[in-house]
Amino acid sequence: EAQVTQNPRYLITVTGKKLTVTCSQNMNHEYMSWYRQDPGLGLRQIYYSMNVEVTDKGDVPEGYKVSRKEKRNFPLILESPSPNQTSLYFCASSLWTGSYEQYFGPGTRLTVT
Amino acid sequence: EDKVVQSPLSLVVHEGDTVTLNCSYEVTNFRSLLWYKQEKKAPTFLFMLTSSGIEKKSGRLSSILDKKELFSILNITATQTGDSAVYLCAVIIQGAQKLVFGQGTRLTINP
Repeated sequence: EAQVTQNPRYLITVTGKKLTVTCSQNMNHEYMSWYRQDPGLGLRQIYYSMNVEVTDKGDVPEGYKVSRKEKRNFPLILESPSPNQTSLYFCASSLWTGSYEQYFGPGTRLTVT
Repeated sequence: EDKVVQSPLSLVVHEGDTVTLNCSYEVTNFRSLLWYKQEKKAPTFLFMLTSSGIEKKSGRLSSILDKKELFSILNITATQTGDSAVYLCAVIIQGAQKLVFGQGTRLTINP
């Protein structure tokens, strides 16, 4: 089944404790992206990647890191999480660039206390 | 700054009603506009619109883009309770390879 998977789905952590949210897609998509969703603000893009080893900042990259060592995986890293990073996070992928329908993962609800 | 604005932010109607959701945009370099439906989980794709004036249709849902006036509408006819969701509009920025989303419209259909 073609899908985007994210892990964990739910995470409660404390300020400053490094964490990684994994994202994997099995559709051989070149483009992958991370979003956060907050009430009243819609979805905001954090980082995106157009191919292996090619990443770029979205609208809200501060406090996040990403890497794209393999085509299928695009982990999101929070080196020192803070409470303002409490949010619902979505990973998405699309066939070529961002100029195409994006398939979303199931979401990761992160709480930083 | 690229901006996408949806209205209304929230809408409550009765089953069987017809609704129109709006999406206006101001972006540096427009490529396409997307509509997504989000129920309890991840957004699911509805439509992609690139050309002005051409209606996209899927069952009771339809959408059209006006590139001169910089907006799109999503129509849902004969609404059902299963249409209750947040509807998201997003614009693809040419060259920047990114999507800019609106805030979403929360649609509630009462039986």
